[in-house]
Amino acid sequence: DAGVIQSPRHEVTEMGQEVTLRCKLISGHNSLFWYRQTMMRGLELLIYFNNNVPIDDSGMPEDRFSAKMPNASFSTLKIQPSEPRDSAVYFCASRGEGGAEAFFGQGTRLTVV
Amino acid sequence: DAKTTQPNSMESNEEEPVHLPCNHSTISGTDYIHWYRQLPSQGPEYVIHGLTSNVNNRMASLAIAEDRKSSTLILHRATLRDAAVYYCIPNLGGTYKYIFGTGTRLKVLA
Repeated sequence: DAGVIQSPRHEVTEMGQEVTLRCKLISGHNSLFWYRQTMMRGLELLIYFNNNVPIDDSGMPEDRFSAKMPNASFSTLKIQPSEPRDSAVYFCASRGEGGAEAFFGQGTRLTVV
Repeated sequence: DAKTTQPNSMESNEEEPVHLPCNHSTISGTDYIHWYRQLPSQGPEYVIHGLTSNVNNRMASLAIAEDRKSSTLILHRATLRDAAVYYCIPNLGGTYKYIFGTGTRLKVLA
């Protein structure tokens, strides 16, 4: 398996534009996590899905952020409209049923100018 | 949520053992203790986890205090590739919702 795949790896966008980050889970995994990492705030859990259902979205910063799982193997994180303070590295991670180990993608570095 | 305390940074010489401590005094009885590490410019990766007993795997050993208020990640022979930020994460009541703290930045000296 190629592991968790995130795209794009880098994204530069202008303030106010819509940004969509994508994540492909490892085949057979049923839990999905989105994280954001900045120097100031470290790694923050944004949202956690289990079996395609959002279980905890308390970390989503505000209504500009939304996350979906249109199917069991794919997720998107959308920011609309984007702001410079959204600049960060965004990671997704997946985990198998009953597993203890979460597998992280390589991340998407987002820069909003 | 269980709170953790880890040293901000540690140094080790190559080929020597490293003991990375973590205090999690508010941990509950059903919380597993997970350790992850993040190498430069990469996503975090799983290292090891345990509940009450000491655990070993190919990467490291985990020593858990009898009262479970602290644990120590042991790298038996540090290499330059082990230079990373190490995170201790109590797993919240089996929810497996990983909340990362600030971790310990390990520097390995050649």
